Amino acid sequence: DQQVKQNSPSLSVQEGRISILNCDYTNSMFDYFLWYKKYPAEGPTFLISISSIKDKNEDGRFTVFLNKSAKHLSLHIVPSQPGDSAVYFCAASGTSNDYKLSFGAGTTVTVRA
Amino acid sequence: KAGVTQTPRYLIKTRGQQVTLSCSPISGHRSVSWYQQTPGQGLQFLFEYFSETQRNKGNFPGRFSGRQFSNSRSEMNVSTLELGDSALYLCASSLGGENNEQFFGPGTRLTVL
Repeated sequence: DQQVKQNSPSLSVQEGRISILNCDYTNSMFDYFLWYKKYPAEGPTFLISISSIKDKNEDGRFTVFLNKSAKHLSLHIVPSQPGDSAVYFCAASGTSNDYKLSFGAGTTVTVRA
Repeated sequence: KAGVTQTPRYLIKTRGQQVTLSCSPISGHRSVSWYQQTPGQGLQFLFEYFSETQRNKGNFPGRFSGRQFSNSRSEMNVSTLELGDSALYLCASSLGGENNEQFFGPGTRLTVL
């Protein structure tokens, strides 16, 4: 039962433009959300997170937006750079699942020069 | 501070064999989680250990087991390997509290022939 869904398996964007990655979740008890970035042959690295008491969190070029009523979050990368080409995973957790992270299937981002 | 290390990085086994994977967490981290990553499936949670006790478990068969030692190092064992067990196995460590970031190792790529 996939509780976190990333419905776009891939995204191609021009360098300098905005990348928008989307994530939907089904468990209303999730209260903490994270984005991870993964390069080939490496483990995922933490990018940015947001707790359910906020609707936006920004860190440099990365901004995460949370819409609790829609059970939807998105990651915006502005401006996109070639080094941003990677697989991005959305993850969620909450007290209902005891710290366990539930991950989406990932979105592969390709930034074109 | 050294990151999460996993050994071995690559492993080839045949059906029916068993395998043990090892994970050394970041110093001071008491929680170790294991994930299986297969193409198109994202990261599937296997189990989490905290202070030598299994605190959380995913939906994997009993052939998948793990343990954690007093120094927080963890091992994962898969018995009676099947072709479908071929995957990247990732280990992540954290302090273990609520909403703590998980830091991932590079993974062990297991191929079952």
